[in-house]
Amino acid sequence: DTAVSQTPKYLVTQMGNDKSIKCEQNLGHDTMYWYKQDSKKFLKIMFSYNNKELIINETVPNRFSPKSPDKAHLNLHINSLELGDSAVYFCASSPRTGNTGELFFGEGSRLTVL
Amino acid sequence: SQQGEEDPQALSIQEGENATMNCSYKTSINNLQWYRQNSGRGLVHLILIRSNEREKHSGRLRVTLDTSKKSSSLLITASRAADTASYFCATQGAQKLVFGQGTRLTINP
Repeated sequence: DTAVSQTPKYLVTQMGNDKSIKCEQNLGHDTMYWYKQDSKKFLKIMFSYNNKELIINETVPNRFSPKSPDKAHLNLHINSLELGDSAVYFCASSPRTGNTGELFFGEGSRLTVL
Repeated sequence: SQQGEEDPQALSIQEGENATMNCSYKTSINNLQWYRQNSGRGLVHLILIRSNEREKHSGRLRVTLDTSKKSSSLLITASRAADTASYFCATQGAQKLVFGQGTRLTINP
């Protein structure tokens, strides 16, 4: 029943490792996003995909690579993890890109890099 | 930048009182949205106000928008313990929704 689901919810790993976070939405939306929330609760957009096509890439290091196999899925792969990557990563979706209406968020994936 | 800035950063009130949070932004917008985030959870959309609207209501929520001052306010009336959460404003530009840092609201019983 969950509209936007992310896995895993918690991820603890060592510096230098590679990890992935998966996201799926069952709302039939065309657009999906990744946001990063830091320890001060600041929420910053990272990527946006519309129907599998990359729309927004907010000067995120190229260690971060999103992949959208279909419009219901948007995964985030992170190479060579650094301490500063520790954050909560949120996936979200919306019916269309551009003049966005409301976003529907997943519950977040808390990444801790040791 | 387009980013909204909420004020205050933290607010603590007694149950039953009204809570007012403010948001200021810098560039022109298509709409402004407010979201709630409970601790450890995702953000939940509360209300959207378009740039040509001045006020909007939804249940105990009242949102105002003043585009000349580039500011918005969220009023929660008759607060309840369950309203304890962080509240974020988000401004919609050409392509993306940009969030502020949020107001942490605590309702004391």
